[in-house]
This record gives sequence, C-alpha cells and structure tokens, in this order.
Amino acid sequence: AQSVTQPDIHITVSEGASLELRCNYSYGATPYLFWYVQSPGQGLQLLLKYFSGDTLVQGIKGFEAEFKRSQSSFNLRKPSVHWSDAAEYFCAVGAVGGKLIFGQGTTLQVKP
Amino acid sequence: EADIYQTPRYLVIGTGKKITLECSQTMGHDKMYWYQQDPGMELHLIHYSYGVNSTEKGDLSSESTVSRIRTEHFPLTLESARPSHTSQYLCASSPGGGTGNIQYFGAGTRLSVL
Repeated sequence: AQSVTQPDIHITVSEGASLELRCNYSYGATPYLFWYVQSPGQGLQLLLKYFSGDTLVQGIKGFEAEFKRSQSSFNLRKPSVHWSDAAEYFCAVGAVGGKLIFGQGTTLQVKP
Repeated sequence: EADIYQTPRYLVIGTGKKITLECSQTMGHDKMYWYQQDPGMELHLIHYSYGVNSTEKGDLSSESTVSRIRTEHFPLTLESARPSHTSQYLCASSPGGGTGNIQYFGAGTRLSVL
C-alpha cells in the first residue's frame, strides 16, 4: 500500500540557516510527489510537484526538492529560511483516482 | 491562486445539532474532496466526488454525508454533531482524477462540538 513518512515531527532552525525536510514514500510505480505548506489557520498551498524528468524541482518561495528513486525520498530544501516560512509542511504522493496520501507533517519553527 | 471557498471558517456548536459545512469552487473542476485533520496530524480523506451525482467514501470512516448536485458545490453534513467530530475539515478540488493531478485547497472549517 502507498504511504508517506515524514520522520521529523518538529524542526527548529535559525533565520537565515538552510533547511531540509525529509520525506520517504512507498509506492509501487513511478510516483507523483507533492509538497504542500499550511500556515496557521489556513488551507494547504502547493509548494512544488514532481511528475517526471529532472529530479530537482523548483517551487515557489525559494523552495526546491530532489527526487531520489534509489532512496524513495523527496526531500524539501531551502538555502536560507525566513521567519515567514514557519508553518506546517506536508509531503504527499498521488494515488489512484486523483487521491493524495499525506505524511504526518513537519512543523517548522524559525528562531530569530 | 485557487478559487475554492469554505464557510464557515469557525463553528462552535452544541451536541446533537445538525450542521452543514459549505465548499464551493469556481474553477469548473470535476473532482472534489473532503479531508479531516486533527491538530498535528496528517489529512485523512473522508469523502470524494468525481462529478455531479457521484460521491464516494474515503479512507477514513466518517459519520458525515456529502452531496454533489452542482459541479461547483460539495457540502458536507453532520446530522447530529458529537464532541468526537471536533476537528478541522478541509475541502479540495482537482481538474482531473489522475494520480498526477494537483489538488487545490480551501482555507478549512474548524469545528468545535461542545
């Protein structure tokens, strides 16, 4: 069965530091992968997606993610974190029928 | 920016009341979804629809019901609210049913049942 694991429940980084959020997936075929961000009290906003082709994908707000088939991973990165990046981040894999299977989420706290 | 709207944003209601959470989208998407999200937890799919007059139960069992009479409207109803229904409910829509289709989310309804 498809599944998504985000090993880090909570991460704290200093403003200006680099960030990497981990995501591992389990899927039988070539996966469609997504990262969403959820600010407090808001819905989810798509940061980026991987469908095929270049394994390094660029997203909005300066985020990027790298698909590594051998490691079944799709980690999210940002070179320099801003205070406004504090939010909850969800990794998801596309499933049959257009459904999404989400990981548990990683809460990012940014220290000034 | 996605045009998908949920009302109300916040709802506090007593046990036993009937409630309807509204979700509307103006993008003409055929596919719509309802998720339940508890604090600090992942989203669980509770209902979805592939078009008018099509509704299916999701992976997480829910006592709520949905209807899809119009493409743009996908309301969720609880006939008799209970404290266990306290949660955040997120609505989403998608232009297609393929595994690669992006889902666009509303801002959510945070429900508290006393």
